[in-house]
Amino acid sequence: GAGVSQSPRYKVAKRGQDVALRCDPISGHVSLFWYQQALGQGPEFLTYFQNEAQLDKSGLPSDRFFAERPEGSVSTLKIQRTQQEDSAVYLCASSPSGGGSGNTIYFGEGSWLTVV
Amino acid sequence: SQQGEEDPQALSIQEGENATMNCSYKTSINNLQWYRQNSGRGLVHLILIRSNEREKHSGRLRVTLDTSKKSSSLLITASRAADTASYFCATDGYSGTYKYIFGTGTRLKVLA
Repeated sequence: GAGVSQSPRYKVAKRGQDVALRCDPISGHVSLFWYQQALGQGPEFLTYFQNEAQLDKSGLPSDRFFAERPEGSVSTLKIQRTQQEDSAVYLCASSPSGGGSGNTIYFGEGSWLTVV
Repeated sequence: SQQGEEDPQALSIQEGENATMNCSYKTSINNLQWYRQNSGRGLVHLILIRSNEREKHSGRLRVTLDTSKKSSSLLITASRAADTASYFCATDGYSGTYKYIFGTGTRLKVLA
């Protein structure tokens, strides 16, 4: 597709339920990022992939969060045993090249997660 | 943790007026980017300015960067109702890593 695609757009989960959020980056983009955005706040970095390699997962808030990009394209962010504080928008982004800054990062529309 | 802080947190202006938003950050950088986010939508890239640049223009947007003060400003001239959105600055680390850190955002409302 032309842009970064995320699904589902909206997800309501019961506390304790596992959720999986999908990201289809722009075709051919090497870098893929996940960000978490709480209401009224700026996005906060979660994790970064260069192709299939997860080079940085320092932003993942707990071991309940897991991300993968097995074939270097589609990525999935999984949250196990969801808790209310996980309620946020999860933004996926991609950029054409790997490593270094100075590249425009293209964001998807986000997956809105509400944990009840 | 947020690297930058935008100022003001909220801004309300009349259509046709100019809007200025400021961003301050804490560590040295290679690049700074500005993004716009409409309510309920993803972020849209507006402009990237490198640490060796002082000013950059794109259409009605003008961005300045003062690395000595660790600050940047975004000016939107002749604002339109469609400019209503939140605006974020994002900075990388001096080592030039991929990890962009976003500020807290300025919520701009342009009244028709």
